[in-house]
Amino acid sequence: DGGITQSPKYLFRKEGQNVTLSCEQNLNHDAMYWYRQDPGQGLRLIYYSQIVNDFQKGDIAEGYSVSREKKESFPLTVTSAQKNPTAFYLCASRRAAGPNEKLFFGSGTQLSVL
Amino acid sequence: DAKTTQPPSMDCAEGRAANLPCNHSTISGNEYVYWYRQIHSQGPQYIIHGLKNNETNEMASLIITEDRKSSTLILPHATLRDTAVYYCIVRVHPRGGTADYGGSQGNLIFGKGTKLSVKP
Repeated sequence: DGGITQSPKYLFRKEGQNVTLSCEQNLNHDAMYWYRQDPGQGLRLIYYSQIVNDFQKGDIAEGYSVSREKKESFPLTVTSAQKNPTAFYLCASRRAAGPNEKLFFGSGTQLSVL
Repeated sequence: DAKTTQPPSMDCAEGRAANLPCNHSTISGNEYVYWYRQIHSQGPQYIIHGLKNNETNEMASLIITEDRKSSTLILPHATLRDTAVYYCIVRVHPRGGTADYGGSQGNLIFGKGTKLSVKP
């Protein structure tokens, strides 16, 4: 089945630790996105990538880093500089062009601080 | 991108139509209206989108007013599984079939949405 896979489902971070959230898609989509969601809130854009080897900061990029070495993969690293990392993280993808550019989302990763 | 306003919550009886309103009074001529929904602890799911004509698919109908300043998502026969947060979003659609590499143009901005509770 085609889709977006996020792993792990749950992740725990210790103080001062970097953690990496995985996002893989087999939809052949060009664009990929990372969103953060806090309880009772909407989604806020962290980083996005329209093409391999290129990515742009979203609204809340501080304390996060990404890479886009392959079209199907867009991992997110939550660094120790992110002081409030506890949140639900969502990865999404879509085709870069076309009239029906709906976003496809993964099932999310819940990150908590120990 | 234009901002949207939605009621924070709504209730609907099972089997009845759920009508979810959205105001987007600052929408511009090339901005589409998109609807997504998010069931608890899952990723959002695309429902429907439109520009100025009413749209219908297997999930829902989208009614956009003539002045395009508001729209309504209609779930014709709500079920318990339709309980979710519904997001109304407007965004610019890139023209000419070219990829929109320019900044945040085309990125969806999710507000808090409407929490729809379908009750038996």
